[in-house]
Amino acid sequence: AQKITQTQPGMFVQEKEAVTLDCTYDTSDPSYGLFWYKQPSSGEMIFLIYQGSYDQQNATEGRYSLNFQKARKSANLVISASQLGDSAMYFCAMRDMIKAAGNKLTFGGGTRVLVKP
Amino acid sequence: DVKVTQSSRYLVKRTGEKVFLECVQDMDHENMFWYRQDPGLGLRLIYFSYDVKMKEKGDIPEGYSVSREKKERFSLILESASTNQTSMYLCASSGMGSNQPQHFGDGTRLSIL
Repeated sequence: AQKITQTQPGMFVQEKEAVTLDCTYDTSDPSYGLFWYKQPSSGEMIFLIYQGSYDQQNATEGRYSLNFQKARKSANLVISASQLGDSAMYFCAMRDMIKAAGNKLTFGGGTRVLVKP
Repeated sequence: DVKVTQSSRYLVKRTGEKVFLECVQDMDHENMFWYRQDPGLGLRLIYFSYDVKMKEKGDIPEGYSVSREKKERFSLILESASTNQTSMYLCASSGMGSNQPQHFGDGTRLSIL
C-alpha cells in the first residue's frame, strides 16, 4: 500500500526566507506522480506543483520548487522568499500511475507553516 | 480556470436526517472525488467516480453513498446522519491524464446535531 509521510507537523519561517517542507513516500511501483497542495485557513485546497517519477528535472513553479530525490523516495517542497500569504497547511500527495483507477491520490498528514513578519 | 462548486459552505443537520452534498464541476472532467477532512486525520477518500454512473469506494465509505447521473455533478449522500459525520467535506475533480491534478471545491463544513 502507498504511504505518504510528512514529519513536520508545524514550522515557523521568517518572511522573505526560504522554507523546505519534507515529504517521503513509499511505493513499489515504478511509475507515480507527486503533488503538493496548499490549504489556507479559508479551507480550499490549492494545487501548487507536480513531479512525475520519470521526470529528469526537478519541477519548478514560480516560488515553488521540488527537491525530488528518487532513490531516497523524497519530494520536498521548497518555498523561496516566503510571504505572509504563504501561511497555510501544505499537503504532499501521491498517485500510483498503474494501479490508481480514476487518478486517486493518497495524502500525507500535512505541515502547517506560519510566516512571521 | 477549473471551477468546482460545492452547494453549501456551512450546513447544520440533525441526527437521522438524510443529507445531500452537491458538487458541480465545469471542466468536463471524467473523475470526481469526495473526501472528508478531520483534525489529525488528514484527507480521507470516501468515494470516487471515473465516469457517469460509475463509482468506487474509497477508504471510508461506510455510512455514505454517492450518485453521478451527469458528468458534471457528483453528489454525496449521508443516508442517516450521525454525529460522527460532523466534518469538513471536500469535493474534487480531475481530468484523465495521469499528471492531471485534482481541483478542489471550497469545502462544506457539516455539523450534525
